Amino acid sequence: DTEVTQTPKHLVMGMTNKKSLKCEQHMGHRAMYWYKQKAKKPPELMFVYSYEKLSINESVPSRFSPECPNSSLLNLHLHALQPEDSALYLCASSWTSGKGNEQFFGPGTRLTVL
Amino acid sequence: QKEVEQDPGPLSVPEGAIVSLNCTYSNSAFQYFMWYRQYSRKGPELLMYTYSSGNKEDGRFTAQVDKSSKYISLFIRDSQPSDSATYLCAMRGIYNDMRFGAGTRLTVKP
Repeated sequence: DTEVTQTPKHLVMGMTNKKSLKCEQHMGHRAMYWYKQKAKKPPELMFVYSYEKLSINESVPSRFSPECPNSSLLNLHLHALQPEDSALYLCASSWTSGKGNEQFFGPGTRLTVL
Repeated sequence: QKEVEQDPGPLSVPEGAIVSLNCTYSNSAFQYFMWYRQYSRKGPELLMYTYSSGNKEDGRFTAQVDKSSKYISLFIRDSQPSDSATYLCAMRGIYNDMRFGAGTRLTVKP
């Protein structure tokens, strides 16, 4: 099973709402990632978790709060977002290091902030 | 200068043509190189993964890496309309901080 699943597929929220994005993988990977992708742009790395610990935060605003409850799950909590945060949010997973650590992506959550 | 440079296209070719996609990079720390295919409104799909200079072939796809020139390529033989997508090069060093190229939009016309 080389699948990364993400829920929901689509999300519309107001600037005062609190919502969460969820990501799950059952490949035994110990590294998980959040990316943000704007239209016609490449994915931009937001966060990296390695062995359930945050290892990279690419200076992401605090209105995005990641959480890794266990090795299979990754959440992204959203609060007080801005319209410019509207994008496709992609989750990925991989082995942690060395060879064979290519990242597998989920289908993404398309977020619209009104 | 961006760490990874990729011509965004668009690139349009007739069915059956050989497609050549390229990226250059500036960071010598990059050791692992990937090509992803992304269809509209979908997540990126891993096509090829290499970590050494040289060629790697998988079906109609060949990935080429030249670390001395900091240049990577993806060749698609006998291109099909179903190959129409955005192709993203990606690379990383020993840490998991992957960087993507801008992506090249490819259209294969029947």
